Amino acid sequence: DAKTTQPNSMESNEEEPVHLPCNHSTISGTDYIHWYRQLPSQGPEYVIHGLTSNVNNRMASLAIAEDRKSSTLILHRATLRDAAVYYCILRDPNPNNNDMRFGAGTRLTVKP
Amino acid sequence: DTGVSQNPRHKITKRGQNVTFRCDPISEHNRLYWYRQTLGQGPEFLTYFQNEAQLEKSRLLSDRFSAERPKGSFSTLEIQRTEQGDSAMYLCASSASGTGLGYTFGSGTRLTVV
Repeated sequence: DAKTTQPNSMESNEEEPVHLPCNHSTISGTDYIHWYRQLPSQGPEYVIHGLTSNVNNRMASLAIAEDRKSSTLILHRATLRDAAVYYCILRDPNPNNNDMRFGAGTRLTVKP
Repeated sequence: DTGVSQNPRHKITKRGQNVTFRCDPISEHNRLYWYRQTLGQGPEFLTYFQNEAQLEKSRLLSDRFSAERPKGSFSTLEIQRTEQGDSAMYLCASSASGTGLGYTFGSGTRLTVV
């Protein structure tokens, strides 16, 4: 199974950008990179995903290294509500595959 | 649609008792998943359904655990003869197969076995 490696925890100050790294050196050529986050007392929620090009949506940006062996989730201005555990997951492009497997993620603390 | 709904939110039970949790997925989603999450860990996959068929079960799902999804709508997860090690958050998620879209999770049922 392709695996990802993330720091256990990170801290940020409110209203500053946050860069959450993820290493996936064994990624296959067709794996998508997905990010989910889990707020306290909630289930995980989808944040963003990408294949090769950088992606932006209303929640975050995803920067993917040229060799695809790492990626970075970018929160442009962290708020207290962004405090959560962030999970980086590799997914097979076959939409019928059941391959959503979570690691321990990165716990982001946002300081006011 | 109000998303994925799980009931109850919290359950405290004595060791040895049976418990049952319910999950109501997003109505147009034909896939339903159960995960278990212990403190400080990411969710661990337990099992999933496509419509009413249970297509995969993790080795974590011992024979004390059983899941059903009658008529491909809501699902139940039953744990028989609960043990203290079963204490965890049980998460349900749903998705639409064939779209490659992400999963939508419920808020979970927190089980405490005393």
